[in-house]
Amino acid sequence: ELKVEQNPLFLSMQEEKNYTIYCNYSTTSDRLYWYRQDPGKSLESLFVLLSNGAVKQEGRLMASLDTKARLSTLHITAAVHDLSATYFCAVDMRGAQKLVFGQGTRLTINP
Amino acid sequence: KAGVTQTPRYLIKTRGQQVTLSCSPISGHRSVSWYQQTPGQGLQFLFEYFSETQRNKGNFPGRFSGRQFSNSRSEMNVSTLELGDSALYLCASSPDRADTQYFGPGTRLTVL
Repeated sequence: ELKVEQNPLFLSMQEEKNYTIYCNYSTTSDRLYWYRQDPGKSLESLFVLLSNGAVKQEGRLMASLDTKARLSTLHITAAVHDLSATYFCAVDMRGAQKLVFGQGTRLTINP
Repeated sequence: KAGVTQTPRYLIKTRGQQVTLSCSPISGHRSVSWYQQTPGQGLQFLFEYFSETQRNKGNFPGRFSGRQFSNSRSEMNVSTLELGDSALYLCASSPDRADTQYFGPGTRLTVL
C-alpha cells in the first residue's frame, strides 16, 4: 500500500527566511504533485514532477524529486506572508488518477 | 476556461438521509475523481470515472457511489448518512490519465 508522509506537519516561520518541506513516499511512483490549500478553499495545483532529478520553480517556491530516495522537497525562499497556506504532496501511481496525499504541512509566515 | 464547479457548496443533512453531490469538469476533461477531506483522515480518494466508467475505487463502503454522464458531468451519492460522513467533498478533473487533476471548490457536507 502506498504511503505518503510529509514533514514537518506544522511550520511557523519569519518572513525572508528559507525553509524546506519534505515528502517521502513508500513505493515507486510515476508522478508527484504539490498542491496548495488556503483555509476553507480548494486545492491549487503548484507543480507536477515526472522524473528523477526533476526541478520546477515558480516564484519563491521550488520543488524537486529524487525517485531513488523516494523523496520530494518543496523549498521556500525568502518567505512572504502570502505563502501562508497548507501544502500537500500527492503521489499518483501509474497515472491512475488515484492520488494518495500526504498529511499536509500547515505553513504560517509571520511578519 | 471555466474551472471545475461543484454544487451545492454547502449541505446539512441528518443521519440516515441520503445526499447527491454534483460536479461539472473543465470543458474537454473526461476524467473526474472524487476525494473526501476530513481533519482526522486527511484527503482520501473515493473513485474516478472516465467516459462514464468507474476506473478506480478507494476504500469506502458501498454507501458511497457515483456515476458519470455522457457530457462528463459526475455525481456522487452517499446513502444512509453517518456522522462521520461530515467532510469536504472535492471533485477533480483532468483530460485523461496521467494528467494533472484540477480541483473544484468542494461541497461541505455536515451530518447532524
